[in-house]
Amino acid sequence: QQQVKQSPQSLIVQKGGISIINCAYENTAFDYFPWYQQFPGKGPALLIAIRPDVSEKKEGRFTISFNKSAKQFSLHIMDSQPGDSATYFCAASMLGQGGKLIFGQGTELSVKP
Amino acid sequence: NAGVTQTPKFRVLKTGQSMTLLCAQDMNHEYMYWYRQDPGMGLRLIHYSVGEGTTAKGEVPDGYNVSRLKKQNFLLGLESAAPSQTSVYFCASSYSRGGNHQPQHFGDGTRLSIL
Repeated sequence: QQQVKQSPQSLIVQKGGISIINCAYENTAFDYFPWYQQFPGKGPALLIAIRPDVSEKKEGRFTISFNKSAKQFSLHIMDSQPGDSATYFCAASMLGQGGKLIFGQGTELSVKP
Repeated sequence: NAGVTQTPKFRVLKTGQSMTLLCAQDMNHEYMYWYRQDPGMGLRLIHYSVGEGTTAKGEVPDGYNVSRLKKQNFLLGLESAAPSQTSVYFCASSYSRGGNHQPQHFGDGTRLSIL
């Protein structure tokens, strides 16, 4: 049972364009939704995170949009750059569970020059 | 400041062999985790630990065992390796802060192939 579903599996965007990755979750007890970025040969690293009491969080060119009623959240990368080419994972967690993360399937983003 | 270090980085095993993957962190984190990453399936939690001497099962624990004898180390064992355990294994660690989620810090992975 996949509690966090992520799409698309892969994404190709032109330099300067907007990259959008979507995630949906099932468990309404989740209260923390991070995005991790992974470069080839490296481990994932936290990019940005949001809690369900806000609808949007922005950090530089990266924005999370959160829709609690639809149980969906998305990552928007504005002015995408070739250096943003990586695999992106959404995740969900809830307090009192030892910090466990439930990850989505991942999206491989390629930004073409 | 090394962060999270995984040993070894690569390994090839034959079916039925055993091995131990080592994870060491120097950030004094309370929580530690073992994940496996497979194409199209994201990262799935195998086992985790909320403190020295404690371990718990994650989503996919079968075929694996773990131990956390020291706070800084978390070991993942495969007693009898199977081809289905071919994967990239990641260790992660994080602080424990009551009432607040903390980011997980990942190592660079161990690539394990079982023939």
